[in-house]
Amino acid sequence: EAGVAQSPRYKIIEKRQSVAFWCNPISGHATLYWYQQILGQGPKLLIQFQNNGVVDDSQLPKDRFSAERLKGVDSTLKIQPAKLEDSAVYLCASSLDAAGEQYFGPGTRLTVT
Amino acid sequence: GENVEQHPSTLSVQEGDSAVIKCTYSDSASNYFPWYKQELGKGPQLIIDIRSNVGEKKDQRIAVTLNKTAKHFSLHITETQPEDSAVYFCAASVNDYKLSFGAGTTVTVRA
Repeated sequence: EAGVAQSPRYKIIEKRQSVAFWCNPISGHATLYWYQQILGQGPKLLIQFQNNGVVDDSQLPKDRFSAERLKGVDSTLKIQPAKLEDSAVYLCASSLDAAGEQYFGPGTRLTVT
Repeated sequence: GENVEQHPSTLSVQEGDSAVIKCTYSDSASNYFPWYKQELGKGPQLIIDIRSNVGEKKDQRIAVTLNKTAKHFSLHITETQPEDSAVYFCAASVNDYKLSFGAGTTVTVRA
């Protein structure tokens, strides 16, 4: 069974630029998560989707971050404009349902200069 | 919201020895406590979890204990091997919803 796929794996941008990350969850998984993992810290949930609806986005900085999950499958996370403090690994995870085990992708390492 | 603290931040053990990582949580309603292992360049992977109706759970060389009264839980790895070297995260949640992670423990197993 294929795991959670993410691209790109690495991205370097200058502050005030925009960037987008893509996630393809495990087939059949209804729940999709985006986490931000700053160096030396644990993952922090940014947004949770159930199918194509948002369940929780309370920790998403909505003035600059946006996310969507088209047709309840793939998802994109966008940052516009980026700030230095957005440098982190962005992890996507999926689970069969909201109470199921979360499977993480390899992450996208973002560096904002 | 939930606050999870994890100690130590780094742990170096001799191959064959045991490793213990401890976490405390703040929300007494939390009832699900998973542990994740993260290897370099990879996402976290669930290695064991425990629910609040159980005090201890074991899976081969890995065990987790939970003390609900004190609001702390621990990961125990016995007979450590070089492949156990990784970053380990504890987490807590209420009814499997919205995991709150600790800051992580970097475990190094010396050959």
